[in-house]
Amino acid sequence: AQSVAQPEDQVNVAEGNPLTVKCTYSVSGNPYLFWYVQYPNRGLQFLLKYITGDNLVKGSYGFEAEFNKSQTSFHLKKPSALVSDSALYFCAVRDRNSGNTPLVFGKGTRLSVIA
Amino acid sequence: KAGVTQTPRYLIKTRGQQVTLSCSPISGHRSVSWYQQTPGQGLQFLFEYFSETQRNKGNFPGRFSGRQFSNSRSEMNVSTLELGDSALYLCASSLGGGEGHTEAFFGQGTRLTVV
Repeated sequence: AQSVAQPEDQVNVAEGNPLTVKCTYSVSGNPYLFWYVQYPNRGLQFLLKYITGDNLVKGSYGFEAEFNKSQTSFHLKKPSALVSDSALYFCAVRDRNSGNTPLVFGKGTRLSVIA
Repeated sequence: KAGVTQTPRYLIKTRGQQVTLSCSPISGHRSVSWYQQTPGQGLQFLFEYFSETQRNKGNFPGRFSGRQFSNSRSEMNVSTLELGDSALYLCASSLGGGEGHTEAFFGQGTRLTVV
C-alpha cells in the first residue's frame, strides 16, 4: 500500500528565510511524487513532480524539492520565503508500477510566513 | 485553456437529503477523480472515472456514488446526508491514459454543509 507522511502540521518561517516542508513516502516499488499547494477556499494547485532523473526538481513560484531514495523523502524547499507563500501544502505519491491507481496524499502542512 | 469547473461552489443541505455535485474537467482529459477534504482527515479519495467507467474506488459507504458522461463531465451524488458529510469536495482531472506520472488538476471545490 502507498502512504505519505507529512510530520509537521504547521511550519513557521520568517520572510526572507529558507523554508522546508517535509514529506516521506512508502511504496512497494518506485514512486512518482508530487507537491500541491492550497490557498484558502481554493482547490489544490500543482507545484512540481518527480518522475525520474535528477533528484532536485524545480517547480512553480521558486519552489524546488529533493528526492532522496535512501531516506524515502521528498522535501519541499524554497531559498527565500514570501508572505504570499503562506498556505497549505500537500505531498502525494503514486507507485510507478501500479498504473493508474489514485494519488495518495499526506494530511498537509500549513506554512505560515511571518513578515 | 479552461480549468476544472465545479458547481455549485457552496451548498447547505439538511440531514437525510441528497445532493448532486458536478465537475467539468479540462478539455481532453478523460479521468475525473473525487476527493473529500476535512480538517481532521485531510484528502480522502472517493472514486475515479475514466471513459465513463469507474476505475478506482475508495473506502466510502454506498451512499456516495458517481458517474461520468460521454463528454467526460462527472457528477457525484450523496444520498441520506449525515452531519459528518460536511466537507470540501474536490474534483481533479487528468489525461489518465496510463502515464502515472501525469499530474492532476483540481477544481476549486464544492463546500457542502449539512445541518
